[in-house]
Amino acid sequence: DTEVTQTPKHLVMGMTNKKSLKCEQHMGHRAMYWYKQKAKKPPELMFVYSYEKLSINESVPSRFSPECPNSSLLNLHLHALQPEDSALYLCASSQEPGTDTQYFGPGTRLTVL
Amino acid sequence: AQRVTQPEKLLSVFKGAPVELKCNYSYSGSPELFWYVQYSRQRLQLLLRHISRESIKGFTADLNKGETSFHLKKPFAQEEDSAMYYCALRGYNTDKLIFGTGTRLQVFP
Repeated sequence: DTEVTQTPKHLVMGMTNKKSLKCEQHMGHRAMYWYKQKAKKPPELMFVYSYEKLSINESVPSRFSPECPNSSLLNLHLHALQPEDSALYLCASSQEPGTDTQYFGPGTRLTVL
Repeated sequence: AQRVTQPEKLLSVFKGAPVELKCNYSYSGSPELFWYVQYSRQRLQLLLRHISRESIKGFTADLNKGETSFHLKKPFAQEEDSAMYYCALRGYNTDKLIFGTGTRLQVFP
């Protein structure tokens, strides 16, 4: 398996809901990333996990909560989101942190009503 | 401040014409530069990274430290090159990729 997979592809949620985004890779990569991409904008880094430990948090609001249960999985827990949080959420992974190419998943398109 | 600038939002050319997508960066040090491409309804994927000095799908890019540029070039554009192209920078020994705003390339038949 040489891809980063993300589920679900689409998610619609209300502002009081709790939901989770899931990202998986089986390439043995030790760094995983969450990005947010608004329409017609470039991806913006949110979080980096390096060897299953959170290494970068780009001042993301606490309503976004990342979790790395193991080296292959990365979750993004969502709670009390705002309509402006609607975006494409991209996951990426790289062999080693800091030096290698990042491989991106297809993204989860999130709509907050 | 670290910044990547792609001055053109849209670049339209005819098939067979040369293409140059501009990318300038601001970074105090030795960055690593990348070009990522996003075809319609496909995931973001790496096209080039400057340290590999490869030519992928006929595209090349040279890092010019004097002009702080990393322009993407192809001598003869093909219709299948139509996509969104992002230039990105990563600082030395960091995980953070900083993307430019992207250039949409349209290649007409």
